[in-house]
Amino acid sequence: QLVASGGGLVQPGGSLRLSCAASAFTFSSYWMSWVRQAPGKGLEWVANIKQDGSEKYYVDFVKGRFTISRDNAKNSLYLQMNSLRAEDTAVYYCARVNSVEYDYWGQGTLVTVSS
Amino acid sequence: SYELTQPHSVSVSPGQTASITCSGDKLGNKYASWYQQKPGQSPVLVIYQDNKRPSGIPERFSGSNSGNTATLTISGTQAMDEADYYCQAWDNNTHVVFGGGTKLTVL
Repeated sequence: QLVASGGGLVQPGGSLRLSCAASAFTFSSYWMSWVRQAPGKGLEWVANIKQDGSEKYYVDFVKGRFTISRDNAKNSLYLQMNSLRAEDTAVYYCARVNSVEYDYWGQGTLVTVSS
Repeated sequence: SYELTQPHSVSVSPGQTASITCSGDKLGNKYASWYQQKPGQSPVLVIYQDNKRPSGIPERFSGSNSGNTATLTISGTQAMDEADYYCQAWDNNTHVVFGGGTKLTVL
């Protein structure tokens, strides 16, 4: 129901745009998030976006570099990542917010920042 | 910023009860959720709103949350329960916080 894509190898300072395609539920009715997991590390929340895109929140270390957005007509969530650093290397998951929990997760897409 | 603290690891014998704690300032005033993650897989919600189980999650999984501590309890632990477990809560209703994760070993 959530399929993430767009990951890959990028050089430090580069950019990447992740996508998450949603299906089998009314995408426009839910807050959505990006959550990442560095290799061998724990889960780390990255950003949230409200149903209509009017509210967006970010973890401090990506503010000004990452932008979360959505296209409800295309049932899609995005994460534009600029000025990438080695420490941004992680599997990035999209997840649906249902009340206060994440009830559905995508399969994740790997972003590797390396020269 | 808000922080959630979990033990790095917990060990349990098959059939016994495993308890994984999650500590945070006045966590009992927030809802806590728990996720199970097995190697190479996406996280799976096992407890939400402190003590509710999603459909398909076995009854041996239960949760509680009071004071500064939320607890995930697995009764009659099975080998298939061996995984990493993460607690999660909201900070100021805008930011999401995860605990550092607990590796549950069934031996």
